[in-house]
Amino acid sequence: EPEVTQTPSHQVTQMGQEVILRCVPISNHLYFYWYRQILGQKVEFLVSFYNNEISEKSEIFDDQFSVERPDGSNFTLKIRSTKLEDSAMYFCASSETGWETQYFGPGTRLLVL
Amino acid sequence: QQQVKQSPQSLIVQKGGISIINCAYENTAFDYFPWYQQFPGKGPALLIAIRPDVSEKKEGRFTISFNKSAKQFSLHIMDSQPGDSATYFCAATPGGNKLTFGTGTQLKVEL
Repeated sequence: EPEVTQTPSHQVTQMGQEVILRCVPISNHLYFYWYRQILGQKVEFLVSFYNNEISEKSEIFDDQFSVERPDGSNFTLKIRSTKLEDSAMYFCASSETGWETQYFGPGTRLLVL
Repeated sequence: QQQVKQSPQSLIVQKGGISIINCAYENTAFDYFPWYQQFPGKGPALLIAIRPDVSEKKEGRFTISFNKSAKQFSLHIMDSQPGDSATYFCAATPGGNKLTFGTGTQLKVEL
């Protein structure tokens, strides 16, 4: 069964450093998403992406965040200057139609020290 | 208005029992209501979903009940098994795009 993959599974970084989280969505999917989950809390929407542009973003997704689809298979989330409060599990998701099921990857656990 | 309220926060059920998790929403633009199951260290996995034009949907041991007028929906897990022990999130979305998640319910099924 096709699945969303994410790398790395864990990342530790120093405050102020840039990190790039990578995702490979399911191959025939056209809609891509990033969510985050702070430990013990609910999953929160960050951004959705379609046709090479952001279609919606949350108030969490400020100027420190950016997304990119650099080629036909990868979808990346960049945090330019990480803060302690960026420590969370980051999930990539993809959807074929954008209307219904979103399939989630296993996540990248980011720890900012 | 974008919130989805979920209860209970945690739930302990005996093996073979019925687990019931409830969610409520306010945004009438929501038109797709999925439930996700999450095991520790894993991403959320879609369990079952419903649209507001039906009042109930059943898939195996999992049933969603939907009350459009009350803006509430619930997940029932029949014959709960230890393997069902996980965190369950309800979610809602207006026509796809971003999912708004509930706060999660930690279910433990005891032998």
